[in-house]
Amino acid sequence: GNSVTQMEGPVTLSEEAFLTINCTYTATGYPSLFWYVQYPGEGLQLLLKATKADDKGSNKGFEATYRKETTSFHLEKGSVQVSDSAVYFCALSDEQGAQKLVFGQGTRLTINP
Amino acid sequence: SQTIHQWPATLVQPVGSPLSLECTVEGTSNPNLYWYRQAAGRGLQLLFYSVGIGQISSEVPQNLSASRPQDRQFILSSKKLLLSDSGFYLCAWSVGLASYNEQFFGPGTRLTVL
Repeated sequence: GNSVTQMEGPVTLSEEAFLTINCTYTATGYPSLFWYVQYPGEGLQLLLKATKADDKGSNKGFEATYRKETTSFHLEKGSVQVSDSAVYFCALSDEQGAQKLVFGQGTRLTINP
Repeated sequence: SQTIHQWPATLVQPVGSPLSLECTVEGTSNPNLYWYRQAAGRGLQLLFYSVGIGQISSEVPQNLSASRPQDRQFILSSKKLLLSDSGFYLCAWSVGLASYNEQFFGPGTRLTVL
């Protein structure tokens, strides 16, 4: 079946550091890929998505590129801020039927000033 | 604008007791509805989804059931809770059936079974 594997956390960085959170997936067909984020005390929300190979999703300075050859969707940001501290979830949605999201285990990110 | 409500926010229940968690969506019609669970140290797992009133699909065998009595109401239930039912339960909604459509999540219910 479909699965998502995320880089294990927690991850702690200093402000303005470069961030990479690795995400790889296993799926049949051509899934859509997502990064969801959960800020402290808030609900899960979509950060960015990509729907086909070589698509790049971007939002709030974050980027991720849909790499079919490596089945990856790594999240990157060039210069993180304290406000980026959150839990990040990589997910995929199978191309068939309702959007049944398959999530990775989540990566807790803490940015220190 | 659309909003999603879940209650209660936290719940502590003894083993063997019943469960009812409710989720309602406002501001949209005929949404797809979802129940997810996050157990300690694990990712979010889809439990049930519904594309219409009375239509429930179960993704994993378990001690729980779901119902959709109204278009924008989704209920998660159990007749007898197990310790393994502890976790963080999230309700979500979306519209349309395209795989790339965004899901919108509620604030969640933290359930502890003792």
